[in-house]
Amino acid sequence: SAVISQKPSRDICQRGTSLTIQCQVDSQVTMMFWYRQQPGQSLTLIATANQGSEATYESGFVIDKFPISRPNLTFSTLTVSNMSPEDSSIYLCSGEDTEAFFGQGTRLTVV
Amino acid sequence: RKEVEQDPGPFNVPEGATVAFNCTYSNSASQSFFWYRQDCRKEPKLLMSVYSSGNEDGRFTAQLNRASQYISLLIRDSKLSDSATYLCVVTSSSGSARQLTFGSGTQLTVLP
Repeated sequence: SAVISQKPSRDICQRGTSLTIQCQVDSQVTMMFWYRQQPGQSLTLIATANQGSEATYESGFVIDKFPISRPNLTFSTLTVSNMSPEDSSIYLCSGEDTEAFFGQGTRLTVV
Repeated sequence: RKEVEQDPGPFNVPEGATVAFNCTYSNSASQSFFWYRQDCRKEPKLLMSVYSSGNEDGRFTAQLNRASQYISLLIRDSKLSDSATYLCVVTSSSGSARQLTFGSGTQLTVLP
């Protein structure tokens, strides 16, 4: 399957600031997804990133808090805005070809 | 009720043991089924797809029972390197998009 390079791999951020996470895919994919994973828990879908249109957000997630860009079929960013300690989590991007594949994850700690 | 439910675990088994994980899903219209493996502090990676006819890949066997909405994963002759969290994943259609729903994962530790 394709490979996604995700960065940063980890960060420690001050509350009230924003962090942008980037994912670069080594091939074109139609759909990209952004997930959040709390320690010991499963993946929760934040939004689906569509190329050329606004992202589609899941219940409980809004564009103002998690703006997403998808400028082309190989790249996407997720911004975690105005962070609070509750945003501390692992954030994962994902794409699909014959299977779902994931970036390496970003471990975010907000202090 | 969760859309995808897995054995709570954790499972601690000796090397060479056979271990089975179960997963149930609530959406009868679910289309595809997978087992993913997630190592500590790593991203999930596809272990195997699950078909109605069942499928086997070396020491791993996956089975699907659509009538009971039930998926299983059997690991034979466990190795230390099998220690990981195993995620049951179910897909369904949401409009024109395919949506993946993840179980909460079952943690396996294989002991020497």
